[in-house]
Amino acid sequence: GAGVSQSPSNKVTEKGKDVELRCDPISGHTALYWYRQSLGQGLEFLIYFQGNSAPDKSGLPSDRFSAERTGGSVSTLTIQRTQQEDSAVYLCASREGRNTEAFFGQGTRLTVV
Amino acid sequence: TQLLEQSPQFLSIQEGENLTVYCNSSSVFSSLQWYRQEPGEGPVLLVTVVTGGEVKKLKRLTFQFGDARKDSSLHITAAQPGDTGLYLCAGGSQGGKLIFGQGTELSVKP
Repeated sequence: GAGVSQSPSNKVTEKGKDVELRCDPISGHTALYWYRQSLGQGLEFLIYFQGNSAPDKSGLPSDRFSAERTGGSVSTLTIQRTQQEDSAVYLCASREGRNTEAFFGQGTRLTVV
Repeated sequence: TQLLEQSPQFLSIQEGENLTVYCNSSSVFSSLQWYRQEPGEGPVLLVTVVTGGEVKKLKRLTFQFGDARKDSSLHITAAQPGDTGLYLCAGGSQGGKLIFGQGTELSVKP
């Protein structure tokens, strides 16, 4: 596609439910990143994929968070048993290689009530 | 753990003033990037610096990468209300990981 696409754009869920967030990166981009951003704050690194493997998943806050990438393309971030502190905007980015521009999606705004 | 410290966190100035935002780390980065983010949008790249000591200019914005590739600065001359936004520095490692600083929220008042 023309840009990074994330879905859904907004998600309201009840505490304790599981959610899946999807990211479609730019075609051909081998690197894919997930970040979390609270209102007006910087980007908290969650996980990084190179192809289908995740060399660095050190930013995942707990074992309730997991992510996968298939076919070197689409990635899914799953949050199990959501908590109110999980409420944030989840941003996905992709880039072609090292030192190149990271292109971001519009994000998924997750609200846990 | 690689960390990027940005300062100041908030900056409110009048139109026409100059400002500098700093991005510091104890780690060496293979590259450093500056992004600007507007509300409801993802960050958008302003510049990438790769070589220690490198200086790049983008109209009224001047970016500098430290000699040791551990720090960077963004200087804006004669700020305008259109410069308002969240400015983020991001460091790239040899392994491909990209980490961001906490951001600087800039407000330029007319």
